[in-house]
Amino acid sequence: SQQGEEDPQALSIQEGENATMNCSYKTSINNLQWYRQNSGRGLVHLILIRSNEREKHSGRLRVTLDTSKKSSSLLITASRAADTASYFCATLMDSNYQLIWGAGTKLIIKP
Amino acid sequence: GAVVSQHPSWVICKSGTSVKIECRSLDFQATTMFWYRQFPKQSLMLMATSNEGSKATYEQGVEKDKFLINHASLTLSTLTVTSAHPEDSSFYICSASPNIAGEETQYFGPGTRLLVL
Repeated sequence: SQQGEEDPQALSIQEGENATMNCSYKTSINNLQWYRQNSGRGLVHLILIRSNEREKHSGRLRVTLDTSKKSSSLLITASRAADTASYFCATLMDSNYQLIWGAGTKLIIKP
Repeated sequence: GAVVSQHPSWVICKSGTSVKIECRSLDFQATTMFWYRQFPKQSLMLMATSNEGSKATYEQGVEKDKFLINHASLTLSTLTVTSAHPEDSSFYICSASPNIAGEETQYFGPGTRLLVL
């Protein structure tokens, strides 16, 4: 089930601009994960950030985590048309394998 | 709502044996299903895309001969871990999307926990 919240639900920007997506959650977590889903394809893992980390980078991706606010953001810099996809956050609690999913943000990069 | 089941929910087997995991969409048809594995406190890693009536598409680094996928009907995909070894111990999860135009939501199965001794 999807219990997290992501905003915006949809985002359309010009190629080259930065895209920021946010994710909020409700319980204490072990880590938070971001995934990308291209149309008709499986989820692809992007970044995992642990509860004791505040920021993480991977290429053009930057993820922040604020456990006091129970929120995370994913920043894609210098966006490209190929970044067009849906982006999901998921939180993992300490107790089990279960991932709690956000509803996702649909990102469209206009060439 | 759309429901995806997996069977078994957990399995313990001896090293060298093969284990079959089933993924079923209970109330919808799915041309495509996805298989993931998840290590403790780690992310889901996409293993392969299972296509009804055709060969599965494997992600880079996933051995197709090790992880056999069969998608024989629109409601059933199976993952067989052949000659399982302790390093194959993991949580295996499938997902499926209904065959509805514009429907992108993936519905996840509850997962199968595999322990290879």
